[in-house]
Amino acid sequence: QVQLQESGPGLVKPSETLSLTCTVSGVSISSYYWSWIRQSAGKGLEWIGRIVISGSTNYNPSLKSRVAMSADTSKNQFSLKLTSVTAADTAVYYCARWFASESDVYDCDIWGQGTMVTVSP
Amino acid sequence: DIHMTQSPSSLSASVGDRLTITCRPNQNIYNYLNWYQQKPGKAPRLLIYAASSLQSGVPSRFSGSGSGTDFTLTITSLQPEDFATYYCQQTFSSPPTFGPGTKVDI
Repeated sequence: QVQLQESGPGLVKPSETLSLTCTVSGVSISSYYWSWIRQSAGKGLEWIGRIVISGSTNYNPSLKSRVAMSADTSKNQFSLKLTSVTAADTAVYYCARWFASESDVYDCDIWGQGTMVTVSP
Repeated sequence: DIHMTQSPSSLSASVGDRLTITCRPNQNIYNYLNWYQQKPGKAPRLLIYAASSLQSGVPSRFSGSGSGTDFTLTITSLQPEDFATYYCQQTFSSPPTFGPGTKVDI
């Protein structure tokens, strides 16, 4: 079955870059769209953006100036970079498949377990 | 961004109860509405997509209804494993946005 696993540092210093990778198993990342979502106590669930392997990305405007997503088909992974982090970026970060149902409504149908990232000196 | 509200924000229930949770976006989203269940320390799990379609593997006691600006998640005969937080999400307009959640406890 399809599984997703986030990886990356759990602690990032303020003003530095948060980098996370999502490793996908059970399906080729070339076949679907993929997304990042984060969850903090203060802001709840927040969609960060999505990527498709053709290179098309769509980012949340609230983060767009600091976010970059990329994909590596040889490793079946996709990645998130968030620059100039502050304490407000402390959250659990999830990767998920961004899937269109038969009714053409997108949803996050498969999620990774999530990884906690703390921004602190 | 489309703002999502949910009511109630929390509720206490018992096994066997019938529950209804409401989600209201601040503009028409047609049927572009999904529901998720989240348990402590776990990722959200998709329950309902496109307002009323049951995700594969989800028990039939879960159902969704509504369109436009008024949506409902119903759980008939609440089971012990259903105590969790439930979120709605709109995907009609970018960025997709989530409701604040409804926590269901005993």
